[in-house]
Amino acid sequence: KAGVTQTPRYLIKTRGQQVTLSCSPISGHRSVSWYQQTPGQGLQFLFEYFSETQRNKGNFPGRFSGRQFSNSRSEMNVSTLELGDSALYLCASSRPSGGLETQYFGPGTRLLVL
Amino acid sequence: DQQVKQNSPSLSVQEGRISILNCDYTNSMFDYFLWYKKYPAEGPTFLISISSIKDKNEDGRFTVFLNKSAKHLSLHIVPSQPGDSAVYFCAASGNTGTASKLTFGTGTRLQVTL
Repeated sequence: KAGVTQTPRYLIKTRGQQVTLSCSPISGHRSVSWYQQTPGQGLQFLFEYFSETQRNKGNFPGRFSGRQFSNSRSEMNVSTLELGDSALYLCASSRPSGGLETQYFGPGTRLLVL
Repeated sequence: DQQVKQNSPSLSVQEGRISILNCDYTNSMFDYFLWYKKYPAEGPTFLISISSIKDKNEDGRFTVFLNKSAKHLSLHIVPSQPGDSAVYFCAASGNTGTASKLTFGTGTRLQVTL
């Protein structure tokens, strides 16, 4: 079956702009989580959506937001981009009753902020 | 404050020998630990996990050891193979029920040489 897909794969923006990233989970998966990966911090949890509702949130400023649609696809938005937002953004999906091992990651969107 | 630490950013091991990757954590509320492997341009993939009620879990060439008193876990790969060359992340959770809010380490890049 198809894996988690993320679009776009690469993105270049300038400071102050906003960006929207998209994630399509594996069919049947209703939970989508977002992570930011940077060299110094590793993977940091942004938020998790389940059935169109934000279920958990990490420690990121309000410039980072997300949403989930009825087909479980999810988008995350970053407004007023800063240089430090340059990172690999990963999304992961899991089954409704799945444990942590069932979380499947997409290949990520690499964002570069100039 | 890094709650999950992987103090070795890189490790080089000869093919056939044992690879030992280490991870330390500070939050005593963590009760479930996972290891992920990440190849370039791909998302992390789940490798092996361990619950805090165990001190060892084995799956083929991969064994994870947990020392709760020292808040330390390690991943052993025996024998190491060139295909094992990747970045390895350890992750921890205080919520074993759902795939959410994992805390990751910064990763260790393993290179298995011929």
